[in-house]
Amino acid sequence: KAGVTQTPRYLIKTRGQQVTLSCSPISGHRSVSWYQQTPGQGLQFLFEYFSETQRNKGNFPGRFSGRQFSNSRSEMNVSTLELGDSALYLCASSIDKEGGLRDTQYFGPGTRLTVL
Amino acid sequence: QQQVKQSPQSLIVQKGGISIINCAYENTAFDYFPWYQQFPGKGPALLIAIRPDVSEKKEGRFTISFNKSAKQFSLHIMDSQPGDSATYFCAARTGGGNKLTFGTGTQLKVEL
Repeated sequence: KAGVTQTPRYLIKTRGQQVTLSCSPISGHRSVSWYQQTPGQGLQFLFEYFSETQRNKGNFPGRFSGRQFSNSRSEMNVSTLELGDSALYLCASSIDKEGGLRDTQYFGPGTRLTVL
Repeated sequence: QQQVKQSPQSLIVQKGGISIINCAYENTAFDYFPWYQQFPGKGPALLIAIRPDVSEKKEGRFTISFNKSAKQFSLHIMDSQPGDSATYFCAARTGGGNKLTFGTGTQLKVEL
């Protein structure tokens, strides 16, 4: 079974631009979560989507948004990029079946975003 | 209250030794405590996880010890190997979804 895939793997943007990152979860997984990883702040939760609805949200400004499609694939968007948005953006998926195992989250390799 | 405090920041262990990483939390609403291993250029990978109603869980060379009253948990890596050299993160999940709060990470180096 293929793992979580994220595209693109690397991205360079300039301040003020916007960016869209994509995540394809493991087949059959219904929950997708996004995290930002930086050397200074570590791993921080952005948001989680389940059945096309945002189920949890972290403490990030409204410039960070996401969505999930009916096939569970997810995208996150960052508008008006700032230098501090440079980070590794990680996507994680889990099965989350009704009454089933919800715990294990499997992470993708991440998208490395550099803002110049 | 949402923080998970992790120590040490870095750790050097000799091959065959025991690596111990500690985490502490405040939020009693956390209901699931995983440990992740991350190699450079890769996403975190789940190592082992525990629920608060269990005091210890062992999988191969990896053991989690959990002290609910002290709100602390730790990862023990027995017979540490150079291939274990990586960054380790503890985490805690808030109920009602899959939101994980991560510790700050421990960079482990296992020397020959």
